[in-house]
Amino acid sequence: AQSVAQPEDQVNVAEGNPLTVKCTYSVSGNPYLFWYVQYPNRGLQFLLKYITGDNLVKGSYGFEAEFNKSQTSFHLKKPSALVSDSALYFCAVRDGSTGTASKLTFGTGTRLQVTL
Amino acid sequence: DTAVSQTPKYLVTQMGNDKSIKCEQNLGHDTMYWYKQDSKKFLKIMFSYNNKELIINETVPNRFSPKSPDKAHLNLHINSLELGDSAVYFCASSQDVGEAFFGQGTRLTVV
Repeated sequence: AQSVAQPEDQVNVAEGNPLTVKCTYSVSGNPYLFWYVQYPNRGLQFLLKYITGDNLVKGSYGFEAEFNKSQTSFHLKKPSALVSDSALYFCAVRDGSTGTASKLTFGTGTRLQVTL
Repeated sequence: DTAVSQTPKYLVTQMGNDKSIKCEQNLGHDTMYWYKQDSKKFLKIMFSYNNKELIINETVPNRFSPKSPDKAHLNLHINSLELGDSAVYFCASSQDVGEAFFGQGTRLTVV
């Protein structure tokens, strides 16, 4: 069975500092990896994905993530955090080998708090 | 234009009632999903449909019955509502194994 671990319930960072939100995954086939953000009382917004190719992927709002196959990780990063980045962040994985039957499995979420 | 829209946004109902949540996507995607987000914000897949065909049924009680009249719509009907069904239900769609796009959610409260 596939799974995603987000080891930190909350990450606190000062505005202007770099941020990292950690994610590790387990999947038997090809990992397709995603990051989403959820603001209060809103749906999930897609940030970025890794399917194949360059291990460093860039997404919306200045976020990027690095795929590391050996460590089965896909950490989300941003060079300079903004207060408006404060939200709940979810990592998700699909098994790309199973076609349309693949589930999109989410981690438990990490709350990012950016302070002045 | 809203890509994935679900109605209603809020639903308050008594135990034992039957209710439906509707979802429509205008993205031309082949695959649609229902997810449940509990009070701890955990997201769990309930169902997945591809071209109107049920692909994933994630051991959800059979009081929950999805229906997909066409590939742009996936509705969720819930019979005999229980207190534990209170949650936020999200509809989503994707093209094959790409990223999923989510609706704004339906907050269901069973009293």
